[in-house]
Amino acid sequence: AQTVTQSQPEMSVQEAETVTLSCTYDTSENNYYLFWYKQPPSRQMILVIRQEAYKQQNATENRFSVNFQKAAKSFSLKISDSQLGDTAMYFCAFRYNAGNMLTFGGGTRLMVKP
Amino acid sequence: DGGITQSPKYLFRKEGQNVTLSCEQNLNHDAMYWYRQDPGQGLRLIYYSQIVNDFQKGDIAEGYSVSREKKESFPLTVTSAQKNPTAFYLCASSYGEGSGELFFGEGSRLTVL
Repeated sequence: AQTVTQSQPEMSVQEAETVTLSCTYDTSENNYYLFWYKQPPSRQMILVIRQEAYKQQNATENRFSVNFQKAAKSFSLKISDSQLGDTAMYFCAFRYNAGNMLTFGGGTRLMVKP
Repeated sequence: DGGITQSPKYLFRKEGQNVTLSCEQNLNHDAMYWYRQDPGQGLRLIYYSQIVNDFQKGDIAEGYSVSREKKESFPLTVTSAQKNPTAFYLCASSYGEGSGELFFGEGSRLTVL
């Protein structure tokens, strides 16, 4: 079974600065998807970014980008120009190519300070 | 607006009582899921359903039951057999197998008194 590990329970960053959240995973599969979800205080989970394992190019969505290192099984999230609205829990998640069930990491609580 | 609706948002239960959490989606998604979230932990899969009238156990199904009689609805019953039911429950849905993204509801907070 796959596991997802987020080693940083809490992080903080000053507004407008850049922060990187770490995620590692363990799988023997070659085809899979990786996701970062954001959970703001409202508690609703929102997809931030996704990465297909077969793609070498790192995914980017506006201020959010990932550093996907397949051999190292690492999938970090970089948030540039941090905004107060980025304050939330961030979850890394893994899914096999077949099937839809996500396996989540334990989460990182990010606080953006003014 | 399309989306997933969970109700109630907050629920209190006495020990020994069964409670049912509602989840409705109007996204025309085939698959639906129930996750449990505890403080300081990630989400853990309780049950999932890929099609109507079919569902499978997830990682922590003991003490829970579900039904999928309609494509739009996937209610979760927390039974008295669940030893530690106080938690935040999230319902999600997605298109068919292999589609990738899960869409989540706003969650239901269950507290056992």
